[in-house]
Amino acid sequence: GAGVSQSPSNKVTEKGKDVELRCDPISGHTALYWYRQSLGQGLEFLIYFQGNSAPDKSGLPSDRFSAERTGGSVSTLTIQRTQQEDSAVYLCASSDRTGGRQTQYFGPGTRLLVL
Amino acid sequence: GQNIDQPTEMTATEGAIVQINCTYQTSGFNGLFWYQQHAGEAPTFLSYNVLDGLEEKGRFSSFLSRSKGYSYLLLKELQMKDSASYLCAVRSLQTGANNLFFGTGTRLTVIP
Repeated sequence: GAGVSQSPSNKVTEKGKDVELRCDPISGHTALYWYRQSLGQGLEFLIYFQGNSAPDKSGLPSDRFSAERTGGSVSTLTIQRTQQEDSAVYLCASSDRTGGRQTQYFGPGTRLLVL
Repeated sequence: GQNIDQPTEMTATEGAIVQINCTYQTSGFNGLFWYQQHAGEAPTFLSYNVLDGLEEKGRFSSFLSRSKGYSYLLLKELQMKDSASYLCAVRSLQTGANNLFFGTGTRLTVIP
């Protein structure tokens, strides 16, 4: 089926505003990941959802960041009171199983610019 | 914690062979991945190693030595379309479940 989709593809916001980024994983994939990629930096893990288990939030950089996954499918990453350092590409990935040769399939990302 | 080192940039000639190295330090190693990322696009999976040795897939091969904390990605018969960033990522029992720890990537430029 279709790959991972993300929306919006680009988002420009003012410092202090809240933003919501959406991820639609590949149908049937039980695992969903959020990463952040800043200019010239590697991918930084943010949060991981697996089925109905409690999410692994260990990578969230501050309490301004939160994410939820409704019905085991679509996920929303929310950044409250955005700061300029939040400017980055936010990538979502999904995989159909965990462990072993599980391959994460990435979406095209949301490019966030905080002015 | 985790640490991954890769060269920042490399340049190679079309038709040649290039080797991109990756060294890592982690506890509870549980697999190493290589991803390709073209500018402005999402990373795409290239290879996976969890045991020592060489995994070959067409023009691309990946090698792993767990005792040395070392991997390389070998690209043969380079094509212009191979110009991209190549990301080395490690999964470990310490990072929890299945999230990957990525290096900063190696930007490869293929020249005619």
